[in-house]
Amino acid sequence: EIQLQESGPGLVKPSQSLSLTCSVTGYTITSGYDWSWIRKFPGNKMEWMGYISNSGSTNYNPSLKIRISITRDTSKNQFFLQLNSVTTEDTATYYCARGSMRRVLAYWGQGTLVTVSS
Amino acid sequence: DVQMTQSPSNLAASPGESVSINCKASKSISKYLAWYQQKPGKANKLLIYSGSTLQSGTPSRFSGSGSGTDFTLTIRNLEPEDFGLYYCQQHNEYPPTFGSGTKLEIK
Repeated sequence: EIQLQESGPGLVKPSQSLSLTCSVTGYTITSGYDWSWIRKFPGNKMEWMGYISNSGSTNYNPSLKIRISITRDTSKNQFFLQLNSVTTEDTATYYCARGSMRRVLAYWGQGTLVTVSS
Repeated sequence: DVQMTQSPSNLAASPGESVSINCKASKSISKYLAWYQQKPGKANKLLIYSGSTLQSGTPSRFSGSGSGTDFTLTIRNLEPEDFGLYYCQQHNEYPPTFGSGTKLEIK
């Protein structure tokens, strides 16, 4: 059974970088599919942030393109999110997910809350 | 980006009843709409994709309909475990975009 688990600091200072890890078990991230990051803001708005494909290519939401980077460590079966120059508006619960056909998000982690505050 | 308008924001119903949640896209997304269930402390669950295709494991009391810009999620014979937050998401084009969510409360 595939499982995804997010981890990382729960508190980040404004102007710093947010870094999160998604650890995947039950499926090898190089075997197929896209591996996404999504976030949910206070108030429940959801935003797809971007993905890294099984081959290592990336695709980002244009709204985040200059601040976001998604990378991976295939030896650990993990992929990562880095979001630069964060502000309080980046406070959200961050989820990682595995894609399926045509941009469907078939498997999700439980999410991790990141608060941006000084 | 495709804007998704989801309604209602909140819903309360009793076990055994049926409820419907609506989602409207700002332009045609063909049949490519997914529905997810979100519950505290649990991973989000994909219920339906491509408008009406049930994900493996989704109970048959869930159904999806619609195409173009207007879609509906219907839950028949509500069970107590159906409480939670429901989202629609268009998966026709990048970036994927979500509705604002519907909180379903079981009376």
